[in-house]
Amino acid sequence: EDQVTQSPEALRLQEGESSSLNCSYTVSGLRGLFWYRQDPGKGPEFLFTLYSAGEEKEKERLKATLTKKESFLHITAPKPEDSATYLCAVQDFRGGSEKLVFGKGTKLTVNP
Amino acid sequence: ETGVTQTPRHLVMGMTNKKSLKCEQHLGHNAMYWYKQSAKKPLELMFVYNFKEQTENNSVPSRFSPECPNSSHLFLHLHTLQPEDSALYLCASSQPPTDTQYFGPGTRLTVL
Repeated sequence: EDQVTQSPEALRLQEGESSSLNCSYTVSGLRGLFWYRQDPGKGPEFLFTLYSAGEEKEKERLKATLTKKESFLHITAPKPEDSATYLCAVQDFRGGSEKLVFGKGTKLTVNP
Repeated sequence: ETGVTQTPRHLVMGMTNKKSLKCEQHLGHNAMYWYKQSAKKPLELMFVYNFKEQTENNSVPSRFSPECPNSSHLFLHLHTLQPEDSALYLCASSQPPTDTQYFGPGTRLTVL
């Protein structure tokens, strides 16, 4: 059974203090790993898709990386507007399913 | 309207009521999804529709009944719900074979 574990559950940073969020996963055959951002009371907003180990993607202050067992979301010099819950999800090749398995998320708070 | 829209945004209902949630996507996608998001739990996939055909039912109780009349619209009919069904219900869409799912803002459901 596919599993996704995100750590830490919550993270408080000062503005400009860089850090990383972790997503560990277990999947029979990785089809894709997804990062989303979710603000309170809103739906998840797509950030990145990673498909193979060694792949990296960047968007503004965010950089996502992927290994065979985990993914990191690196946040460089964060700003208060980066405060949100960051969700990780995996999709496997079994049966051609579109099913995403999500982690519980990391709630990031960036203080000014 | 752009992206994925959901109505209503908030819904309060008694256990004996019947109500429906509506989702509409303006992205030209052919796959649509219902997810449930409860506090402290990961997003749970409920139903998947591909080209209007239901391809996944994730062991959801029969008091939740989905309907997909065309590729742009998705409904979730609710009847005789329980208080534990209170949650944020999210709709998403994607365009096969692309895996990225785009989410709507969600309907916050409270069952009294």
